Amino acid sequence: GAVVSQHPSRVICKSGTSVKIECRSLDFQATTMFWYRQFPKQSLMLMATSNEGSKATYEQGVEKDKFLINHASLTLSTLTVTSAHPEDSSFYICSALDYHYEQYFGPGTRLTVT
Amino acid sequence: QKEVEQNSGPLSVPEGAIASLNCTYSDRGSQSFFWYRQYSGKSPELIMSIYSNGDKEDGRFTAQLNKASQYVSLLIRDSQPSDSATYLCAVLRDQGAQKLVFGQGTRLTINP
Repeated sequence: GAVVSQHPSRVICKSGTSVKIECRSLDFQATTMFWYRQFPKQSLMLMATSNEGSKATYEQGVEKDKFLINHASLTLSTLTVTSAHPEDSSFYICSALDYHYEQYFGPGTRLTVT
Repeated sequence: QKEVEQNSGPLSVPEGAIASLNCTYSDRGSQSFFWYRQYSGKSPELIMSIYSNGDKEDGRFTAQLNKASQYVSLLIRDSQPSDSATYLCAVLRDQGAQKLVFGQGTRLTINP
């Protein structure tokens, strides 16, 4: 299967600061990437769809000014959590769509805001 | 009604037996279905995709789709302790945008 990486795997930040998470497709080009959030014992919730060269599409209830997404190339999408607060602590997972329209997930980034 | 429903479990199966995981979906127009495996603290891993009615086999895994009943299942034969994980059913909601909708997941435990 296709390989997707994320960096960092784990980050701890103070309340009010911003955190950037990178998502890369390593062996294929992905015009579309997705960002999910998963709270403990819950399923994945789609936050936004990231399209290369255009603005991201956000799901209802997700603040676009708080969760900034940039898909600058066919292999890289970034999610920046701005002015993070403890309630933003979660497991953030990206996925990339391959040529067969199957989604492959990155390893996830565990964010803790203190 | 949730778009994708799964029994959250936990489902306990003895080693070597067949584990059967079930999923129903509400959008009759859905065309693509996926099973993901997620170990605790890790991200989901794609196991199977199925698009047509009937069975699709890959090693010890068999996915079954019945569009008329809006039902998709995953069978795991010769279950191993390493199969213990949460299994997520996902349905492609938006053909154009390729958005997946996930069920809550079924936690499976294989007992040695």
